[in-house]
Amino acid sequence: DSGVTQTPKHLITATGQRVTLRCSPRSGDLSVYWYQQSLDQGLQFLIQYYNGEERAKGNILERFSAQQFPDLHSELNLSSLELGDSALYFCASSEGTGLGGYTFGSGTRLTVV
Amino acid sequence: GESVGLHLPTLSVQEGDNSIINCAYSNSASDYFIWYKQESGKGPQFIIDIRSNMDKRQGQRVTVLLNKTVKHLSLQIAATQPGDSAVYFCAEAYTGANSKLTFGKGITLSVRP
Repeated sequence: DSGVTQTPKHLITATGQRVTLRCSPRSGDLSVYWYQQSLDQGLQFLIQYYNGEERAKGNILERFSAQQFPDLHSELNLSSLELGDSALYFCASSEGTGLGGYTFGSGTRLTVV
Repeated sequence: GESVGLHLPTLSVQEGDNSIINCAYSNSASDYFIWYKQESGKGPQFIIDIRSNMDKRQGQRVTVLLNKTVKHLSLQIAATQPGDSAVYFCAEAYTGANSKLTFGKGITLSVRP
Protein backbone atom coordinates (compact mmCIF):
# COMPACT_ATOMS: atom_id res chain seq x y z
CA ASP A 1 0.00 0.00 0.00
CA SER A 2 1.59 3.25 -1.19
CA GLY A 3 -0.53 5.45 1.06
CA VAL A 4 -2.25 7.11 -1.90
CA THR A 5 -5.83 5.88 -2.24
CA GLN A 6 -7.78 6.05 -5.45
CA THR A 7 -11.42 5.13 -5.92
CA PRO A 8 -13.02 3.51 -7.74
CA LYS A 9 -10.56 0.95 -9.08
CA HIS A 10 -12.65 0.27 -12.16
CA LEU A 11 -15.32 2.29 -13.89
CA ILE A 12 -17.33 1.43 -16.97
CA THR A 13 -19.56 4.10 -18.42
CA ALA A 14 -21.19 5.14 -21.68
CA THR A 15 -20.14 7.87 -24.07
CA GLY A 16 -21.48 11.28 -23.16
CA GLN A 17 -21.58 10.53 -19.45
CA ARG A 18 -19.72 12.23 -16.60
CA VAL A 19 -17.63 10.54 -13.92
CA THR A 20 -15.69 11.59 -10.86
CA LEU A 21 -12.46 9.98 -9.79
CA ARG A 22 -11.29 10.40 -6.23
CA CYS A 23 -7.83 10.53 -4.69
CA SER A 24 -6.64 10.74 -1.09
CA PRO A 25 -2.98 11.70 -0.89
CA ARG A 26 -0.41 10.18 1.42
CA SER A 27 -0.55 11.60 4.91
CA GLY A 28 1.43 14.83 5.08
CA ASP A 29 1.60 15.36 1.32
CA LEU A 30 0.25 18.68 0.11
CA SER A 31 0.63 18.22 -3.64
CA VAL A 32 -1.62 16.06 -5.77
CA TYR A 33 -0.94 15.27 -9.41
CA TRP A 34 -3.23 13.60 -11.93
CA TYR A 35 -1.85 11.55 -14.82
CA GLN A 36 -3.55 9.73 -17.67
CA GLN A 37 -2.01 6.52 -18.97
CA SER A 38 -3.26 5.25 -22.31
CA LEU A 39 -1.96 2.53 -24.60
CA ASP A 40 0.03 4.77 -26.92
CA GLN A 41 0.81 7.84 -24.84
CA GLY A 42 2.37 6.55 -21.67
CA LEU A 43 1.94 8.74 -18.60
CA GLN A 44 0.56 12.14 -19.52
CA PHE A 45 0.47 14.88 -16.90
CA LEU A 46 -2.96 16.43 -16.51
CA ILE A 47 -2.94 18.80 -13.55
CA GLN A 48 -1.34 19.56 -10.18
CA TYR A 49 -2.80 20.99 -6.99
CA TYR A 50 -0.88 22.22 -3.99
CA ASN A 51 -2.69 22.81 -0.72
CA GLY A 52 -5.97 23.45 -2.46
CA GLU A 53 -4.72 25.62 -5.29
CA GLU A 54 -4.06 24.73 -8.90
CA ARG A 55 -0.31 24.89 -9.54
CA ALA A 56 0.33 23.47 -12.98
CA LYS A 57 -1.66 22.31 -15.96
CA GLY A 58 -0.64 19.82 -18.57
CA ASN A 59 -2.51 18.21 -21.42
CA ILE A 60 -5.89 18.39 -19.74
CA LEU A 61 -8.94 18.66 -21.95
CA GLU A 62 -11.54 21.34 -21.33
CA ARG A 63 -14.05 18.55 -20.66
CA PHE A 64 -11.93 17.56 -17.67
CA SER A 65 -11.63 19.47 -14.42
CA ALA A 66 -10.22 18.85 -10.98
CA GLN A 67 -10.15 20.31 -7.53
CA GLN A 68 -8.44 19.76 -4.20
CA PHE A 69 -10.50 20.09 -1.06
CA PRO A 70 -9.50 21.49 2.36
CA ASP A 71 -8.84 17.97 3.64
CA LEU A 72 -6.41 17.66 0.67
CA HIS A 73 -8.26 14.92 -1.15
CA SER A 74 -8.73 15.60 -4.84
CA GLU A 75 -11.33 14.79 -7.44
CA LEU A 76 -10.94 14.58 -11.20
CA ASN A 77 -14.14 15.18 -13.12
CA LEU A 78 -14.43 13.85 -16.67
CA SER A 79 -17.47 14.91 -18.68
CA SER A 80 -18.94 14.30 -22.13
CA LEU A 81 -16.90 11.14 -22.19
CA GLU A 82 -15.60 9.76 -25.47
CA LEU A 83 -14.26 6.33 -26.36
CA GLY A 84 -10.75 7.79 -26.47
CA ASP A 85 -10.96 8.76 -22.81
CA SER A 86 -10.65 5.11 -21.87
CA ALA A 87 -7.40 4.88 -19.92
CA LEU A 88 -5.82 4.40 -16.54
CA TYR A 89 -5.96 7.54 -14.44
CA PHE A 90 -3.33 7.85 -11.74
CA CYS A 91 -3.12 10.18 -8.84
CA ALA A 92 0.22 10.87 -7.19
CA SER A 93 1.16 12.94 -4.19
CA SER A 94 4.27 14.58 -2.86
CA GLU A 95 5.20 16.58 0.19
CA GLY A 96 5.79 19.77 -1.74
CA THR A 97 8.39 20.24 -4.37
CA GLY A 98 8.34 16.70 -5.66
CA LEU A 99 12.02 16.12 -4.98
CA GLY A 100 12.21 12.56 -3.81
CA GLY A 101 9.60 11.65 -6.32
CA TYR A 102 5.91 11.17 -6.29
CA THR A 103 3.99 8.39 -4.61
CA PHE A 104 1.42 6.94 -6.95
CA GLY A 105 -1.89 5.33 -6.22
CA SER A 106 -3.03 2.14 -7.92
CA GLY A 107 -5.08 4.00 -10.47
CA THR A 108 -8.62 3.99 -11.75
CA ARG A 109 -9.24 2.11 -14.97
CA LEU A 110 -11.90 3.94 -16.94
CA THR A 111 -13.62 2.17 -19.81
CA VAL A 112 -15.96 4.18 -21.99
CA VAL A 113 -18.29 2.08 -24.12
CA GLY B 1 -3.62 -8.26 -11.66
CA GLU B 2 -4.64 -6.56 -14.84
CA SER B 3 -2.09 -5.69 -17.46
CA VAL B 4 -1.30 -2.12 -18.26
CA GLY B 5 -1.29 -3.19 -21.88
CA LEU B 6 1.00 -0.45 -23.10
CA HIS B 7 2.42 -0.61 -26.60
CA LEU B 8 6.05 -0.30 -25.59
CA PRO B 9 9.43 -1.60 -26.71
CA THR B 10 10.55 -4.71 -24.85
CA LEU B 11 13.91 -5.65 -23.45
CA SER B 12 14.29 -9.37 -22.84
CA VAL B 13 17.06 -10.58 -20.55
CA GLN B 14 18.09 -13.88 -19.01
CA GLU B 15 17.62 -14.27 -15.30
CA GLY B 16 20.89 -13.53 -13.57
CA ASP B 17 22.20 -11.25 -16.31
CA ASN B 18 22.61 -7.52 -15.93
CA SER B 19 20.00 -5.27 -17.56
CA ILE B 20 20.54 -1.83 -18.99
CA ILE B 21 17.51 0.32 -19.72
CA ASN B 22 18.12 3.53 -21.61
CA CYS B 23 16.22 6.79 -21.76
CA ALA B 24 16.69 9.97 -23.74
CA TYR B 25 15.24 13.01 -22.03
CA SER B 26 14.06 16.12 -23.76
CA ASN B 27 14.59 19.20 -21.63
CA SER B 28 18.16 20.44 -21.26
CA ALA B 29 17.04 22.49 -18.25
CA SER B 30 15.94 19.39 -16.32
CA ASP B 31 17.95 18.97 -13.16
CA TYR B 32 16.28 16.04 -11.47
CA PHE B 33 15.66 12.55 -12.81
CA ILE B 34 13.88 9.51 -11.50
CA TRP B 35 13.39 5.93 -12.59
CA TYR B 36 10.03 4.32 -11.86
CA LYS B 37 8.95 0.70 -12.08
CA GLN B 38 5.36 -0.22 -12.90
CA GLU B 39 4.17 -3.75 -12.30
CA SER B 40 0.98 -5.08 -13.77
CA GLY B 41 -2.07 -3.68 -12.04
CA LYS B 42 -0.12 -1.18 -9.95
CA GLY B 43 0.91 2.41 -10.08
CA PRO B 44 4.51 3.44 -10.81
CA GLN B 45 6.93 2.90 -7.93
CA PHE B 46 10.01 5.01 -7.23
CA ILE B 47 13.28 3.13 -7.81
CA ILE B 48 16.11 5.65 -7.73
CA ASP B 49 16.74 9.30 -8.44
CA ILE B 50 19.68 11.47 -9.42
CA ARG B 51 20.30 15.19 -9.51
CA SER B 52 22.09 16.89 -12.35
CA ASN B 53 25.18 17.63 -10.27
CA MET B 54 25.93 13.90 -10.27
CA ASP B 55 26.62 11.46 -13.09
CA LYS B 56 26.18 8.21 -11.20
CA ARG B 57 24.21 6.98 -8.23
CA GLN B 58 23.94 3.49 -6.83
CA GLY B 59 21.19 1.78 -4.94
CA GLN B 60 20.53 -1.80 -4.04
CA ARG B 61 21.19 -3.75 -7.28
CA VAL B 62 20.45 -0.64 -9.33
CA THR B 63 22.65 2.11 -10.72
CA VAL B 64 21.53 5.22 -12.54
CA LEU B 65 23.90 6.96 -14.95
CA LEU B 66 23.34 10.47 -16.23
CA ASN B 67 25.02 11.97 -19.29
CA LYS B 68 23.88 15.57 -19.53
CA THR B 69 25.94 16.23 -22.65
CA VAL B 70 23.76 13.94 -24.73
CA LYS B 71 20.68 14.08 -22.46
CA HIS B 72 20.81 10.40 -21.72
CA LEU B 73 19.83 8.47 -18.64
CA SER B 74 20.27 4.76 -18.01
CA LEU B 75 19.22 2.29 -15.37
CA GLN B 76 21.40 -0.72 -14.72
CA ILE B 77 19.95 -3.67 -12.83
CA ALA B 78 22.43 -6.22 -11.56
CA ALA B 79 21.63 -9.93 -11.47
CA THR B 80 18.16 -9.45 -12.94
CA GLN B 81 15.42 -11.46 -11.25
CA PRO B 82 11.94 -12.52 -12.41
CA GLY B 83 10.49 -9.97 -10.00
CA ASP B 84 12.18 -7.23 -12.01
CA SER B 85 9.81 -7.87 -14.92
CA ALA B 86 7.84 -4.67 -15.29
CA VAL B 87 7.53 -1.48 -17.28
CA TYR B 88 10.26 1.04 -16.49
CA PHE B 89 9.84 4.77 -16.93
CA CYS B 90 12.35 7.55 -16.68
CA ALA B 91 11.08 10.92 -15.55
CA GLU B 92 12.65 14.35 -15.64
CA ALA B 93 11.92 17.63 -13.90
CA TYR B 94 13.22 21.13 -13.63
CA THR B 95 12.97 21.84 -9.94
CA GLY B 96 12.04 25.45 -10.21
CA ALA B 97 8.66 26.81 -9.24
CA ASN B 98 5.72 24.57 -10.08
CA SER B 99 7.99 21.75 -11.14
CA LYS B 100 6.37 18.59 -12.39
CA LEU B 101 7.68 15.28 -13.57
CA THR B 102 7.56 14.52 -17.28
CA PHE B 103 7.62 10.82 -18.02
CA GLY B 104 9.22 9.03 -20.92
CA LYS B 105 7.34 6.44 -22.93
CA GLY B 106 8.55 3.45 -20.94
CA ILE B 107 10.22 0.15 -21.70
CA THR B 108 8.99 -3.31 -20.82
CA LEU B 109 11.61 -5.52 -19.16
CA SER B 110 10.94 -9.22 -19.57
CA VAL B 111 13.10 -11.65 -17.58
CA ARG B 112 13.52 -15.15 -19.01
CA PRO B 113 13.88 -17.93 -16.44
